[in-house]
Amino acid sequence: KQEVTQIPAALSVPEGENLVLNCSFTDSAIYNLQWFRQDPGKGLTSLLLIQSSQREQTSGRLNASLDKSSGRSTLYIAASQPGDSATYLCAGYDYKLSFGAGTTVTVRA
Amino acid sequence: EPEVTQTPSHQVTQMGQEVILRCVPISNHLYFYWYRQILGQKVEFLVSFYNNEISEKSEIFDDQFSVERPDGSNFTLKIRSTKLEDSAMYFCASTPTGDIHTIYFGEGSWLTVV
Repeated sequence: KQEVTQIPAALSVPEGENLVLNCSFTDSAIYNLQWFRQDPGKGLTSLLLIQSSQREQTSGRLNASLDKSSGRSTLYIAASQPGDSATYLCAGYDYKLSFGAGTTVTVRA
Repeated sequence: EPEVTQTPSHQVTQMGQEVILRCVPISNHLYFYWYRQILGQKVEFLVSFYNNEISEKSEIFDDQFSVERPDGSNFTLKIRSTKLEDSAMYFCASTPTGDIHTIYFGEGSWLTVV
């Protein structure tokens, strides 16, 4: 059974600082790894998808890396803004998503 | 941009009652899912549906739960004889294919069982 762990559970940074969010998974037999954003009481918004054959994916200020052999993915958010405050979830996909518990980010103005 | 829509956004029901949560997946998608998130806990997989049948289900998805695609657009989750512990946010999701595409989630249906 896939187990996904995210560290840290919470993070508070001043505006402008870069964010590093970590995700580890136990079963490397995934088709892809996805990062989502969740605002309080809201749904899940997909941020980045990394195919199992890829090493990283970028979108704007977001960059995610994937190392299947070590079972790790990292989400980098450059130059954080207060609007980046949310919970970030990673999930491994093998015809279903297995989610981590998330990292709750607070960016202080 | 196409989106997955869910109704109702919030439902309060008495313990023991039946609830139907409705979803309209994105029109050209082939795989449909239900996930749930109990307050303060991880998002959990319930069931996946492809080609008009369940393709995989979790241990949570017991005989109390059922899914149906009654027509070409709706995808429903039925919860029979609700229990207090069924209180959660239920998310519907869809994807064009099973392996390479982003999964799109709806905004969720809050279910409160009292």
